[in-house]
Parts: sequence; structure tokens; C-alpha cells
Amino acid sequence: DTAVSQTPKYLVTQMGNDKSIKCEQNLGHDTMYWYKQDSKKFLKIMFSYNNKELIINETVPNRFSPKSPDKAHLNLHINSLELGDSAVYFCASSPRLAGATDTQYFGPGTRLTVL
Amino acid sequence: AQSVTQPDIHITVSEGASLELRCNYSYGATPYLFWYVQSPGQGLQLLLKYFSGDTLVQGIKGFEAEFKRSQSSFNLRKPSVHWSDAAEYFCAVGAGNTDKLIFGTGTRLQVFP
Repeated sequence: DTAVSQTPKYLVTQMGNDKSIKCEQNLGHDTMYWYKQDSKKFLKIMFSYNNKELIINETVPNRFSPKSPDKAHLNLHINSLELGDSAVYFCASSPRLAGATDTQYFGPGTRLTVL
Repeated sequence: AQSVTQPDIHITVSEGASLELRCNYSYGATPYLFWYVQSPGQGLQLLLKYFSGDTLVQGIKGFEAEFKRSQSSFNLRKPSVHWSDAAEYFCAVGAGNTDKLIFGTGTRLQVFP
């Protein structure tokens, strides 16, 4: 009965590779997010989607491409991985398009290590 | 632009002691304020939130926070800390006119027996 799930939990890969992280929520929420948490624990939003529509697209390299096949899923694809992409990536969801005012529910995170 | 400052990077307390984690925000209007907790290897979980009304808000796990507009603060408190409270605590502010939640840099809480 996991609310927000992410796969994989750990991802170790070489520079230059392409990888994807998957996220699913079973809460019936309309809005989903991707956050990046760096080595100093700083958490910053990358993207948000509402009912499969891109809403927030922060200053993120275009090597990062989110895809939302339906409102319960938001995947993150990363091309040409770089060392600086190493971080923990969190998926989150909220009931509606009001991420600044609604409670957000977070997944367990995916720790990406680029060698 | 809104921002959040958590002045304490790391706090250590003894089990049973009281706790206060500081949070200062910057925002022109009335902010939406949140405290989240991240246990080791876990995602973030909401402890409590403030939107309006009573400035002392109660949350889960015995935590409370007080909104003080004059000090632009939203400090988190707990009267008696348990060893299981050891975690990273994040204060966050949301602006009603955006969809973004802005997080502070977090405070790591260590609890000694």
C-alpha cells in the first residue's frame, strides 16, 4: 500500500550513460514533482506535472527529461550522465496544482551515483 | 523571492530533553509554512503546517511549531525528545502565487541516550 514509490532505490552508472528513474503514486493525486537533493542535503525542485501537463521546469539541463504517461506516473530520464548528477532524486505528489500550499507526499528517493 | 534559513546545521540533544529547531523565512505576504522530517534513507514526511489562524500548530509525533510574524520565524519544538526523533528536519515555505515549495538547508538532529 505504498503511497509514492520509486524505482530503482540505488543506481550506479558510468559517465555518459543514459538512465531512467520511475515514480508511481497510488493516492489519486493530480500533481507530481521531481526534486534533487545534493550531497549537502539541499532539496530543490526540478519539475512538476499536473494531469500529465508540465507546470514547473526549473533551470535544469535539457539532458533531464520528465515524462508523464498518466497522472499516476512521472518518470525522469537523464541523458549523458555527468559526475555532478550524483544526488538523491525524490519524487513527490500533491492532491492538486497547489504545490506551494498543499502537503506533498514524498517517495523514498533514488540515490544516483555517477562514476 | 521567498527563502528559508535554518541557522543550525547540526543539533545534539539528550533523550528526554526539550528541543527547538529554528526556521526563518523571507516572504512578502502571509506564507504557507511546513516542517518535514527525513529519517535516514527515507523520503520526507510532513510533521505540521501553518496556513492561517492559530499561530501555534500541533503536528505528529508530539511536535509543535509557532508562527511569529514579527520575527519571520516558524520554530519547531518538542518538549521531550525520543531517540527515534534522530533525523534531518526541513523547514519549507510556499508562496500562494507559485507552485514551488522552497526548502531550507535542513537541521540534522542527533539524540544521545
